[in-house]
Amino acid sequence: KAGVTQTPRYLIKTRGQQVTLSCSPISGHRSVSWYQQTPGQGLQFLFEYFSETQRNKGNFPGRFSGRQFSNSRSEMNVSTLELGDSALYLCASSLDLRRGAYNEQFFGPGTRLTVL
Amino acid sequence: GIQVEQSPPDLILQEGANSTLRCNFSDSVNNLQWFHQNPWGQLINLFYIPSGTKQNGRLSATTVATERYSLLYISSSQTTDSGVYFCAVVDLNAGGTSYGKLTFGQGTILTVHP
Repeated sequence: KAGVTQTPRYLIKTRGQQVTLSCSPISGHRSVSWYQQTPGQGLQFLFEYFSETQRNKGNFPGRFSGRQFSNSRSEMNVSTLELGDSALYLCASSLDLRRGAYNEQFFGPGTRLTVL
Repeated sequence: GIQVEQSPPDLILQEGANSTLRCNFSDSVNNLQWFHQNPWGQLINLFYIPSGTKQNGRLSATTVATERYSLLYISSSQTTDSGVYFCAVVDLNAGGTSYGKLTFGQGTILTVHP
């Protein structure tokens, strides 16, 4: 079974631009979570989607948004990029067989975003 | 929110040595995972271990949920074991704000020299 895939793997943008990152979960997985990893803050939770609905959101500004499609694929968008948005963005998927229950998360390879 | 602390922050070993990494968490959890982050940034699943003991080759893990800690054992370390090891948990008491949310420790940087 194919793992979690993320595209693109690398991105270079300039301040003020916007960016869209894509994540395809493991087949059959319905929950997709996004994380930001920086040297200073470590790994931080951005948001989680299940059945096209955002169920949970971390402590990030409104410039960070996302969505999930009917096939469970997810995208996240960052508008008006700032230098501090340079980071590794990771998505993870899980089965989430029962609503609210937690299942093991599996991560994609990440998208490394550099903002100049 | 829940706090996750990992120790030691850095660990340097010679090939063949054994090591123990520790993860302490501040509240009850309904899940705990150990990951190895490779040099390209991908998080590789090692264990899904909310309680009990599991073994996979040279690696094993034990979680004592009632005492709020987990241990990752690496035996006969190899240079390919180098990298960052993360422990991550889901807060049992966070209700809806726990959906899909792993809280990570700061990691242990392991370096294995040949």
